[in-house]
Amino acid sequence: AQSVTQLDSQVPVFEEAPVELRCNYSSSVSVYLFWYVQYPNQGLQLLLKYLSGSTLVKSINGFEAEFNKSQTSFHLRKPSVHISDTAEYFCAVSGGSNYKLTFGKGTLLTVNP
Amino acid sequence: ETGVTQSPTHLIKTRGQQVTLRCSSQSGHNTVSWYQQALGQGPQFIFQYYREEENGRGNFPPRFSGLQFPNYSSELNVNALELDDSALYLCASSLEAGPRGTQYFGPGTRLLVL
Repeated sequence: AQSVTQLDSQVPVFEEAPVELRCNYSSSVSVYLFWYVQYPNQGLQLLLKYLSGSTLVKSINGFEAEFNKSQTSFHLRKPSVHISDTAEYFCAVSGGSNYKLTFGKGTLLTVNP
Repeated sequence: ETGVTQSPTHLIKTRGQQVTLRCSSQSGHNTVSWYQQALGQGPQFIFQYYREEENGRGNFPPRFSGLQFPNYSSELNVNALELDDSALYLCASSLEAGPRGTQYFGPGTRLLVL
C-alpha cells in the first residue's frame, strides 16, 4: 500500500516570501510523484510531476519540487510567492501496479499582502 | 483541445435516492478515473475505467458503479444515497492506464445529500 503525508495543513506566508510545502510518501515500489493545486470551488490542476530522470522538476509558474528517494520526500518550493498562489496544494503518488493516485490531505497556502 | 468537463456542477439529493454524474474526457484519453473528495480531505480513488472496462476499484461499496462510453464520456452512479456521500466528485482522464499516466481533472460535481 502507498500513503502520502503532508506535514502542514496550513501555511500562511507574506507576499514575496519563500515557501516550502512538505510531502513525504510511503511505498514498497518505485513511485511517480505529483503536485496538484486546487483553487476555491475548482477541480485539481497538475502543477508538476516526477516520473524519472532529473530529481528536480519545475512548473511554469515558478514552483519546483525535488524527489529525494532516501528521505522519501517530494517537497514543493517557491522562492517568492504571490497573492495568486493562495490555494490548496495536494501531493499524490502512484507506482508499481498501483495506477490510482493516492493523495495527501492537502496544505492550504495563504499568501498575505 | 477541450479539457475534462463534468455535469452537473451542483446537485442536491435526499437520502436513499439515486444519482448519476457525468464526465467528458479529453479527446483521445481512453482512461477515466473517479475520485470522491470530502470536505477538508484529499481525493479518494473510487474506480478507473480503461476502454469501457473497470480497471480497478478503491474501497467503495458496490452501490458506487460506473460506465465508460466509446465517445470518451463516462458516468458515476450512486444508489441508495447516504449522508456521508456528500462530497465533491472528480473525474480525471489520462492517455494511458498505468501509474505513469498523468491524470487531468475536471472541475467536479458537488453533491449534497440531505
